[in-house]
Amino acid sequence: AQSVTQLDSHVSVSEGTPVLLRCNYSSSYSPSLFWYVQHPNKGLQLLLKYTSAATLVKGINGFEAEFKKSETSFHLTKPSAHMSDAAEYFCVVSVEDSSYKLIFGSGTRLLVRP
Amino acid sequence: KAGVTQTPRYLIKTRGQQVTLSCSPISGHRSVSWYQQTPGQGLQFLFEYFSETQRNKGNFPGRFSGRQFSNSRSEMNVSTLELGDSALYLCASSSSGANYNEQFFGPGTRLTVL
Repeated sequence: AQSVTQLDSHVSVSEGTPVLLRCNYSSSYSPSLFWYVQHPNKGLQLLLKYTSAATLVKGINGFEAEFKKSETSFHLTKPSAHMSDAAEYFCVVSVEDSSYKLIFGSGTRLLVRP
Repeated sequence: KAGVTQTPRYLIKTRGQQVTLSCSPISGHRSVSWYQQTPGQGLQFLFEYFSETQRNKGNFPGRFSGRQFSNSRSEMNVSTLELGDSALYLCASSSSGANYNEQFFGPGTRLTVL
């Protein structure tokens, strides 16, 4: 069965410094992985997705993630944090049984200090 | 294209009542999924509909049901409401093409059960 584990419930960075949000996944086959962001009182927005085409995936707003099969990781990074990046981030794996079901991690709340 | 819309955005009900939530997917999307988001349990899959058929169901009691209409709009119903049903209910739609597992989320309906 597929699952994702987000290793940090909260991450705090200063504006202008790098962001690293960690995610490990478990899947019996090559998974589809996603990162979603949720701003307060808003729905979920897709940041980026991995579907085996390339291990380094670039997303919106300067975010990127690297798929590492040997480490079963899909960490999200950004070179320089902006105040507007403060939000909750979810690592997500897609269940590959054509059911379109997504399994969400527990979320990482990113705080950006001025 | 217009995004996924959900109505109402906020709802207050009392225990024992029932509630119906509505979701209109992105034009052309035939798959609609529903998720429940609570602080304690995080984001959990409820069910997914495709062409008016429920294709997959999460681990929720039978009080939670849904349906999809021929225009792909979907409704979710919760009967005999309990306090624990207070949550943000998110709807997501996706296409049936190559990006079938890329889901686009609506802003959610926040249900409060008193």
